[in-house]
Amino acid sequence: AQSVAQPEDQVNVAEGNPLTVKCTYSVSGNPYLFWYVQYPNRGLQFLLKYITGDNLVKGSYGFEAEFNKSQTSFHLKKPSALVSDSALYFCAVRDWGNAGNMLTFGGGTRLMVKP
Amino acid sequence: GAVVSQHPSRVICKSGTSVKIECRSLDFQATTMFWYRQFPKKSLMLMATSNEGSKATYEQGVEKDKFLINHASLTLSTLTVTSAHPEDSSFYICSATELAGFYNEQFFGPGTRLTVL
Repeated sequence: AQSVAQPEDQVNVAEGNPLTVKCTYSVSGNPYLFWYVQYPNRGLQFLLKYITGDNLVKGSYGFEAEFNKSQTSFHLKKPSALVSDSALYFCAVRDWGNAGNMLTFGGGTRLMVKP
Repeated sequence: GAVVSQHPSRVICKSGTSVKIECRSLDFQATTMFWYRQFPKKSLMLMATSNEGSKATYEQGVEKDKFLINHASLTLSTLTVTSAHPEDSSFYICSATELAGFYNEQFFGPGTRLTVL
């Protein structure tokens, strides 16, 4: 079975500072990893994904994520946070062996960027 | 990019009535659609997976007679909450994939807020 853990319910960052939102995963095979962002009363917006290749993945709105196979982690990062980045962030994983395309989501991390 | 819409975006109904939520893929054919439920400040819970022209596959603990899913065409799936009760109040999100196969992403709809009085 596949699973995702986001150990922090909330991350607080001052505007202009770097941010990191943590994610660890567990799959039986190779992972297909995603980050999504959700604004209040809205659906999920895709930020970035990792399939294979370079461990550092760049995505939308200046976000990037680093895949670390040995630590089974896929942390989301941004060099300089904006107040408008405040939202709910979800990490998700799909196992390469999962033919049903089913995504498993982490519990979500609320990012609060203060001016 | 691929766009998924949901209708309505918000619905309020009386207890005991049924509510239908539509999920449409606007610019692609969705062979598979997924329905999620999200409680306040919580993660997404997969309710069911539907493939066009076949019966939906429900996750454990989801009542298939209460949450009726129909995927009659490659661009439309519907979720009907039958005899809704206040505990069914939630945010329902659908997603769709274009083709079967591993690399195909899920594209998410904007969600539907259901409030049962």
